[in-house]
Amino acid sequence: KAGVTQTPRYLIKTRGQQVTLSCSPISGHRSVSWYQQTPGQGLQFLFEYFSETQRNKGNFPGRFSGRQFSNSRSEMNVSTLELGDSALYLCASRMAFLGDTQYFGPGTRLTVL
Amino acid sequence: DAKTTQPTSMDCAEGRAANLPCNHSTISGNEYVYWYRQIHSQGPQYIIHGLKNNETNEMASLIITEDRKSSTLILPHATLRDTAVYYCIVRVGMNTDKLIFGTGTRLQVFP
Repeated sequence: KAGVTQTPRYLIKTRGQQVTLSCSPISGHRSVSWYQQTPGQGLQFLFEYFSETQRNKGNFPGRFSGRQFSNSRSEMNVSTLELGDSALYLCASRMAFLGDTQYFGPGTRLTVL
Repeated sequence: DAKTTQPTSMDCAEGRAANLPCNHSTISGNEYVYWYRQIHSQGPQYIIHGLKNNETNEMASLIITEDRKSSTLILPHATLRDTAVYYCIVRVGMNTDKLIFGTGTRLQVFP
């Protein structure tokens, strides 16, 4: 079974631009979550989607948004990019039954210049 | 949210057992302990999880103390490929994706 896939793997943007990252969960997984990893803050939870609905959100500004499609694929968007948004963005999926496990994708490395 | 405390770094000789400790003194009765590892900025890899009983799988063993305030991840025969940052996490509720990662333990396996 294929794992979580994320596209693109690497991205370079400039300040003020916006970016959209994509995540395809493991087949059969219905819940998708996003994390940001930076050297200074470590791994931080961004948000969680299930059945196209955001169920939980971390402490990030409104410039960070996401959505989930009916096939469980998810996208996250960051508008008005800042230098501090440079990070590894990780997507994780799980089947969404009680007690199951999250599996992470390889991440998208975003660099903001 | 229950917090975890781990040593910043540890060394282990190849072929020996690596024992990674974790303190989670504020854990609630229904919260699970999860272990993930991250190898050089790849996505975190799930290792094992448990509630109160010891658990074992093909990768590792998890020993949880009776009072559940601490646990130890055991890699029985460490290899160079086990060099990674290991995260001990107390999952916030069993039907949510929200994992709160600490700073983890950087395990260096040497020849």
